[in-house]
Amino acid sequence: GAVVSQHPSRVICKSGTSVKIECRSLDFQATTMFWYRQFPKKSLMLMATSNEGSKATYEQGVEKDKFLINHASLTLSTLTVTSAHPEDSSFYICSAQPGLGPDTQYFGPGTRLTVL
Amino acid sequence: SQQGEEDPQALSIQEGENATMNCSYKTSINNLQWYRQNSGRGLVHLILIRSNEREKHSGRLRVTLDTSKKSSSLLITASRAADTASYFCATSYNTDKLIFGTGTRLQVFP
Repeated sequence: GAVVSQHPSRVICKSGTSVKIECRSLDFQATTMFWYRQFPKKSLMLMATSNEGSKATYEQGVEKDKFLINHASLTLSTLTVTSAHPEDSSFYICSAQPGLGPDTQYFGPGTRLTVL
Repeated sequence: SQQGEEDPQALSIQEGENATMNCSYKTSINNLQWYRQNSGRGLVHLILIRSNEREKHSGRLRVTLDTSKKSSSLLITASRAADTASYFCATSYNTDKLIFGTGTRLQVFP
């Protein structure tokens, strides 16, 4: 089956630093990847859609300068949280779409970010 | 917000009982999907039902869809302790984007 990995699984950082989270599709090519944010006991909120070789499309209310997304290859997208603050602490989940149609997204295991 | 709503927010049952959770959404859809999330983990896809379908089965799962009421239900029969998780519905319409519901936290006691 299609596998998506995220690295790191957990990260703790100091306020003001930047953190990079990687999302990889391990056994398929993903033209589109999605980044979600999830607060404790809440649902997933789509942050942005990442297309290989082009700029990401951000959802309303998501700061593109704060959450930098790079989809440099068909198997890798990165989310960088710049100048992190405690309110950025959250669970970040990516998903990858293998291009078989809009129905199919495979989700990564998530990254727990804690900003002190 | 486009986000759908699920009820109940939380559900506690004994092993062997059936669990039913409901999802209501706000817009037209092409399909509706149900996902499971174990605590602190990613999402596992359970089942997809298209807008022209009314009912779908997969093992112990039964999903119904009523597009006139903009609602769906997920039934888990003969529940097991391992079914303890959060369950989310997600809809899409003419786009790759998924809009997730608020989720139901299911606790199954042995």
